[in-house]
Amino acid sequence: DAGVTQSPTHLIKTRGQHVTLRCSPISGHKSVSWYQQVLGQGPQFIFQYYEKEERGRGNFPDRFSARQFPNYSSELNVNALLLGDSALYLCASSGGGNTEAFFGQGTRLTVV
Amino acid sequence: EDQVTQSPEALRLQEGESSSLNCSYTVSGLRGLFWYRQDPGKGPEFLFTLYSAGEEKEKERLKATLTKKESFLHITAPKPEDSATYLCAAHGGSNYKLTFGKGTLLTVNP
Repeated sequence: DAGVTQSPTHLIKTRGQHVTLRCSPISGHKSVSWYQQVLGQGPQFIFQYYEKEERGRGNFPDRFSARQFPNYSSELNVNALLLGDSALYLCASSGGGNTEAFFGQGTRLTVV
Repeated sequence: EDQVTQSPEALRLQEGESSSLNCSYTVSGLRGLFWYRQDPGKGPEFLFTLYSAGEEKEKERLKATLTKKESFLHITAPKPEDSATYLCAAHGGSNYKLTFGKGTLLTVNP
């Protein structure tokens, strides 16, 4: 079975640009969460979606948005990129509730 | 606000030298305590979930334990391939998020 897949794996953007990151969860998982991890820190929660509805939002500005599609894949969008948005963006999928969250390999975003 | 603190920040061991990593948590209504392993530039790899105080889980050289305030990851006779950052995360109360610690960077020298 395929694990959580994220695309792209790396990208470089210029300040002020917009970026879209994509995630496909494990087959059968209906919940997708997004995390930001800056170097030397643990992942920070951005969003969780379950059955296409937002379940939770972390302490991130409105420049960050996300959505989940009928096939349970998800997109994370970031507008007006800042240098401080440079990080590893992680997607996690789970069956919901207390079940384990499995992470993808991440997307390394560099803003220059 | 949920908080997770891991110690030490970094740990260097000789191959075969057993030790423990600590994860202290302050979470309202713990629903699960998770341990992950993360290699440089990669996503976290799931290791264990613990749900209640007194619970223990093992996988190869790793054993995770849980009390009402902290969790330990015991590493027995580590090998160089165990070198990685180990992350602890708590899932609490009505939140749907995982709150992570900063991790412990483990280096095992041959």
